[in-house]
Amino acid sequence: GNSVTQMEGPVTLSEEAFLTINCTYTATGYPSLFWYVQYPGEGLQLLLKATKADDKGSNKGFEATYRKETTSFHLEKGSVQVSDSAVYFCALSDRGQGGYQKVTFGIGTKLQVIP
Amino acid sequence: ETGVTQTPRHLVMGMTNKKSLKCEQHLGHNAMYWYKQSAKKPLELMFVYSLEERVENNSVPSRFSPECPNSSHLFLHLHTLQPEDSALYLCASSGTQNTDTQYFGPGTRLTVL
Repeated sequence: GNSVTQMEGPVTLSEEAFLTINCTYTATGYPSLFWYVQYPGEGLQLLLKATKADDKGSNKGFEATYRKETTSFHLEKGSVQVSDSAVYFCALSDRGQGGYQKVTFGIGTKLQVIP
Repeated sequence: ETGVTQTPRHLVMGMTNKKSLKCEQHLGHNAMYWYKQSAKKPLELMFVYSLEERVENNSVPSRFSPECPNSSHLFLHLHTLQPEDSALYLCASSGTQNTDTQYFGPGTRLTVL
């Protein structure tokens, strides 16, 4: 079956530091890849996505590139802010039988940015 | 605001109670999902409805009973729960393509005493 592996954290960084959160996956076929973010007291929301190999997703200064050869989708940001403190989930999506989106999530990485 | 609402936001119930969680989406999606989020564990997919038909039931105990009366509403009926069922229950909706984004509600924080 499909799986997603990411570091659990917590990751603690100073403001303006460089961020990398590693994500690797195993899947059959050609999944789409996502990063979701969860702020305290809220549900998950899409941060960025990539739907095919070599695509780069980007949003709010975050980037991730779909690397099929290394089965990876690492999240990066050049300069983090305190407001980026949240839990980040890597996920892959495949089409389930019955016409729905079957998503496999990683365990989530908690990021804490200190001033 | 993601277009997916959940009520109540917090719920405390005893093991003998019966309660229901409600989810509503205003995005015109055809698929709706219930997830369970517990500390230190990946999100667990519980149920999926596509075009109002249940298409996935991931070995969830019968004390959880879903209902999807139309494509905009999803319920999770709870009865005789156990303390280990305490968690954040998230509802989501999406289109049916694997490139689509899932949109999540804010969740219901459930505590079973």
